[in-house]
Amino acid sequence: EDQVTQSPEALRLQEGESSSLNCSYTVSGLRGLFWYRQDPGKGPEFLFTLYSAGEEKEKERLKATLTKKESFLHITAPKPEDSATYLCAVRPGGATNKLIFGTGTLLAVQP
Amino acid sequence: SQTIHQWPATLVQPVGSPLSLECTVEGTSNPNLYWYRQAAGRGLQLLFYSVGIGQISSEVPQNLSASRPQDRQFILSSKKLLLSDSGFYLCAWRGPGQYNSPLHFGNGTRLTVT
Repeated sequence: EDQVTQSPEALRLQEGESSSLNCSYTVSGLRGLFWYRQDPGKGPEFLFTLYSAGEEKEKERLKATLTKKESFLHITAPKPEDSATYLCAVRPGGATNKLIFGTGTLLAVQP
Repeated sequence: SQTIHQWPATLVQPVGSPLSLECTVEGTSNPNLYWYRQAAGRGLQLLFYSVGIGQISSEVPQNLSASRPQDRQFILSSKKLLLSDSGFYLCAWRGPGQYNSPLHFGNGTRLTVT
């Protein structure tokens, strides 16, 4: 069964304290892995797409990487405004209209 | 640029009442449209998707239905709400045929069934 697991469920960091969020997946024929940021009461906001193992994408303090079994979202020197829930989603092979989402990591960055 | 609108933002409805949530997309033609539900502590669950006017695919059997009366309009409905229908409902779009592109979400409707 296709599955996406994110860890940790919640993470509290001090401003400037770098860390990583994990997204592990079990799917048949990965066609894409997506990272989203979701603020409270809002819809998810797209961050990155990764398609193949070894691929990396960066945006400001965020860097996403992909292996054959998992993806990491690295947060370097986070600021309080980076506080949000980060969601990971995968598109299995052959399922053109289906994204499987993880339950997310709630990140809190304290000043 | 493309934008997606959902309304209402919040809704409180009694059990057994009807439901209608609306979503519209601007700045694109023939988008693929999606309805997701997000429950606390659970991942987003795909409810319905549509690749064109009048074309609806259901992912999960439930108390809800969807319709696409116009190219850029997607409606989620129920004839009689259940307590279990409470949740955060999200509409999303993607360009036609762009199956490896990300979904873009609206800001959701928080539905509480009392």
